[in-house]
Amino acid sequence: GQSLEQPSEVTAVEGAIVQINCTYQTSGFYGLSWYQQHDGGAPTFLSYNALDGLEETGRFSSFLSRSDSYGYLLLQELQMKDSASYFCAVRRNNAGNNRKLIWGLGTSLAVNP
Amino acid sequence: GEEVAQTPKHLVRGEGQKAKLYCAPIKGHSYVFWYQQVLKNEFKFLISFQNENVFDETGMPKERFSAKCLPNSPCSLEIQATKLEDSAVYFCASSQGFLARATYEQYFGPGTRLTVT
Repeated sequence: GQSLEQPSEVTAVEGAIVQINCTYQTSGFYGLSWYQQHDGGAPTFLSYNALDGLEETGRFSSFLSRSDSYGYLLLQELQMKDSASYFCAVRRNNAGNNRKLIWGLGTSLAVNP
Repeated sequence: GEEVAQTPKHLVRGEGQKAKLYCAPIKGHSYVFWYQQVLKNEFKFLISFQNENVFDETGMPKERFSAKCLPNSPCSLEIQATKLEDSAVYFCASSQGFLARATYEQYFGPGTRLTVT
């Protein structure tokens, strides 16, 4: 089977750093995507990791360890507007019917003043 | 357009009625994906298209759900004989480029909230 696990809720304060973890079990793993969704609105793409290591995009970074089947999203200098749900999603290989993302249940991040 | 457009924003149907949702992908994007999200939880994949061709329909409950992407028309998702458990937000996403990137980097519309009573 295949599954992704991420914490359901995380709370942090403005200006802090928060890490949202994602562990996955899937065959044919190709890469890990992260999406942000504000209050049930349109999700927006944040990052994608296909190789081990850290990818940095401004205040957000994403990390992948393929050997550990683990990744995380790191949010720095937190702002109130970062309060949202964050989803990890696995891209599997493109053979046969694997041409889609498999999504986690999302982590609700609350940033407090 | 520069954004994925979905209509209607809200749709209320009585159990057993038909529901039809529409999606206009970003111009130039050749892939379209449909997802169902219940109670702000995971995005359940339904179906994807490459242009007007079905790309992957492994998530579709085929007995009641159908979808099309015809040239020069919005894509559509139709649910025949809706059930209470179909109540959800249905998101459409589009993407471009080679297959790998098209799969992992998707651009979502605002969704259609379907309520079945």
